[in-house]
Amino acid sequence: DAGVTQSPTHLIKTRGQQVTLRCSPKSGHDTVSWYQQALGQGPQFIFQYYEEEERQRGNFPDRFSGHQFPNYSSELNVNALWLGDSALYLCASTLLAGGPYEQYFGPGTRLTVT
Amino acid sequence: RKEVEQDPGPFNVPEGATVAFNCTYSNSASQSFFWYRQDCRKEPKLLMSVYSSGNEDGRFTAQLNRASQYISLLIRDSKLSDSATYLCVVAKAAGNKLTFGGGTRVLVKP
Repeated sequence: DAGVTQSPTHLIKTRGQQVTLRCSPKSGHDTVSWYQQALGQGPQFIFQYYEEEERQRGNFPDRFSGHQFPNYSSELNVNALWLGDSALYLCASTLLAGGPYEQYFGPGTRLTVT
Repeated sequence: RKEVEQDPGPFNVPEGATVAFNCTYSNSASQSFFWYRQDCRKEPKLLMSVYSSGNEDGRFTAQLNRASQYISLLIRDSKLSDSATYLCVVAKAAGNKLTFGGGTRVLVKP
């Protein structure tokens, strides 16, 4: 039973650049959520995708966008990177269509912006 | 005020002892509650869901007090491997966005 996978594991980018992070949900899950975790803090919700639509969005600027594909995998795009975007980006998956609704996390992508 | 607040610790616990800590949440509409465990530089892992009647999973017991809006976690017979950050998590509905506390760090020492 494959768990949540994310790529890449680490990434270094320069201010102003754009980045794309990828996530494959746990087998059988249909919903993907993205979170940002800064050092020493709890994860903060970015957005959630279900049926290829953005279902919920947290308090993040439009520079953060996403996409969900027909196979339920997802991408997170961040444009015009700031130094403050340096964080661990976590993807979580769940099954919304019928549950159970517990969310499971991937290992994350550690993004460093210089 | 943060939606979910936790004592950051660290809680230094002798091996074999019992440790308890809790968190408070501000949104009375919250319906789903969880404890996640996070090891250093790793992803959060679901420890247990928290039900209104309280629930136990081996050495771990979780309690929910809706009237006072707090959730507790008790760890009995602490093991060195219990050293981690414990994240209190709430959601308005099952499957919805998770709102995390800042975490409580627990260090179990021989």
